Amino acid sequence: AQSVTQLGSHVSVSEGALVLLRCNYSSSVPPYLFWYVQYPNQGLQLLLKYTSAATLVKGINGFEAEFKKSETSFHLTKPSAHMSDAAEYFCAVSRSNFGNEKLTFGTGTRLTIIP
Amino acid sequence: EAQVTQNPRYLITVTGKKLTVTCSQNMNHEYMSWYRQDPGLGLRQIYYSMNVEVTDKGDVPEGYKVSRKEKRNFPLILESPSPNQTSLYFCASSNQGFEKLFFGSGTQLSVL
Repeated sequence: AQSVTQLGSHVSVSEGALVLLRCNYSSSVPPYLFWYVQYPNQGLQLLLKYTSAATLVKGINGFEAEFKKSETSFHLTKPSAHMSDAAEYFCAVSRSNFGNEKLTFGTGTRLTIIP
Repeated sequence: EAQVTQNPRYLITVTGKKLTVTCSQNMNHEYMSWYRQDPGLGLRQIYYSMNVEVTDKGDVPEGYKVSRKEKRNFPLILESPSPNQTSLYFCASSNQGFEKLFFGSGTQLSVL
């Protein structure tokens, strides 16, 4: 079975500070990994995905994530937080031999930006 | 505009009264799926469909039904809703493989 664990259900950072949202995965086969963002009263949007090409993945809105097999991690970072980054972020994992039909989401991390 | 449309946006009902939440996509996607979102539990998959007339159970299918008679539509049916089905529901669609999922805006369901 596959799973993801997001450490910290709530994270607060000051505007302009580094954003770091943590995600660790468990998978018996090579995983594909995703970060989705949910703004208030909206559905989820894809931020970025890792599908076994480059281990450092760049996404939209200045976010990036690095796949580290030795640490089974896929942490999301952004160098400088903006007020518009306030949202809930979900890490997700899928087995590499399946598409979206076997996508498992984490429990989410709510990011608050302090002015 | 490419989109996934869910209706209704909000729904309050009573235990045992059958209801249907509709989902429609205009992107000719083969894959469609239903999720429920609960605080502290993230998103959990209810059912998914790989194409017309092809559906399969996700992680939490009990108490739900789906159908896929047309490519664009994937309704979620609660034959006898119960209070533990109070949740925020999302429909999503994508092409096959690892193309991104497109999500609807959600349906907030309350079962009294």
